[in-house]
Amino acid sequence: GEKVEQHESTLSVREGDSAVINCTYTDTASSYFPWYKQEAGKSLHFVIDIRSNVDRKQSQRLIVLLDKKAKRFSLHITATQPEDSAIYFCAASKNQGGSAKLIFGEGTKLTVSS
Amino acid sequence: GPKVLQIPSHQIIDMGQMVTLNCDPVSNHLYFYWYKQILGQQMEFLVNFYNGKVMEKSKLFKDQFSVERPDGSYFTLKIQPTALEDSAVYFCASSLDPGSYEQYFGPGTRLTVL
Repeated sequence: GEKVEQHESTLSVREGDSAVINCTYTDTASSYFPWYKQEAGKSLHFVIDIRSNVDRKQSQRLIVLLDKKAKRFSLHITATQPEDSAIYFCAASKNQGGSAKLIFGEGTKLTVSS
Repeated sequence: GPKVLQIPSHQIIDMGQMVTLNCDPVSNHLYFYWYKQILGQQMEFLVNFYNGKVMEKSKLFKDQFSVERPDGSYFTLKIQPTALEDSAVYFCASSLDPGSYEQYFGPGTRLTVL
């Protein structure tokens, strides 16, 4: 079935360094790839997304790369700050008959130390 | 930004009882979703709902589960009867349409079944 795998369960970086989180997906029909941030005890907060018609998207310190051939996408956080510490979830979706369910990865706990 | 509200934030009930989880989606959104997150695990899709109908459901959406949104009031998830394995945090999400994809998540309801 459809699956999204997130390769790093934990990631620790020093403030100012870059952090990279990698995900792979199985469903070739997937066309939308959002990233969500979840702080302890809180809900998911949308961070950035990429659609399958592009292979790179940047929003300030966040860059998302998509490699459709390899069915892989990644989130790059540059110049990390302590407030970037959270669990990051990647997800994949396809628009099929009015349903756009998100298939989530297992999450990566990012810790940025100052 | 747009907010999805969920009531209650916590619910503790005895196994076999009925529970209703309430979601107040973003006001102009038309598509509604429920996801389930067991502590420390990834978010899993349960069901999505549009125009009074279930569009898609996963195998986690057991026969004891039902959803409805009577006339623009809360979007609800009802579990009757509850089982121990229903203990989890349930997140509601809404989106304007599948084509726009972005789903906004509520803060979650932590359900504990004793």
